[in-house]
Amino acid sequence: NAGVTQTPKFQVLKTGQSMTLQCAQDMNHEYMSWYRQDPGMGLRLIHYSVGAGITDQGEVPNGYNVSRSTTEDFPLRLLSAAPSQTSVYFCASSYSITGGSLFFGSGTQLSVL
Amino acid sequence: SQQGEEDPQALSIQEGENATMNCSYKTSINNLQWYRQNSGRGLVHLILIRSNEREKHSGRLRVTLDTSKKSSSLLITASRAADTASYFCATDDGSSTLGRLYFGRGTQLTVWP
Repeated sequence: NAGVTQTPKFQVLKTGQSMTLQCAQDMNHEYMSWYRQDPGMGLRLIHYSVGAGITDQGEVPNGYNVSRSTTEDFPLRLLSAAPSQTSVYFCASSYSITGGSLFFGSGTQLSVL
Repeated sequence: SQQGEEDPQALSIQEGENATMNCSYKTSINNLQWYRQNSGRGLVHLILIRSNEREKHSGRLRVTLDTSKKSSSLLITASRAADTASYFCATDDGSSTLGRLYFGRGTQLTVWP
């Protein structure tokens, strides 16, 4: 099993550009989520999903869109990148939607110039 | 916000010593989790303690939970240089399904050889 796979690992964007961060898991987990990690801020939840076709907002959803068409994939879309979105992004999944440990990907370092 | 807060922000000890980190949170929870993050990597789950549990052990890790004080502690016994990492606590929002999982800002642990 590969676990949780995130691509790309690094990305540089110009302000206003759009892009999609990819996340895939091969553990048949129902729960998937996206976090951003900024220095001194810990991890903040952007969006999450408890199953295919079901998504909901986290703490900091503005400027990001998600969709969940399959159990395996949970892409995060930046609609119009801003310097404030410079961060490290982590995708995580869990086997349980009623409370279980998260499995994290290795992260995407995004810089918006 | 339900976000947990770890204390201290940074901890520096010698190999062989014990390391204690604390976490406080604000509202009722179903469970509390501790994660470790090595520099430049994703988070790795260490241990989960449910709200009806008071203490849990896993190898050199000991976690306590005091729901009346809304606090938890993580003890790492006989620390090793390889334990150098950031440690985060995470809490849910007390709902019946896993929706939002809130992370604190972490404790940076440095273990000197």
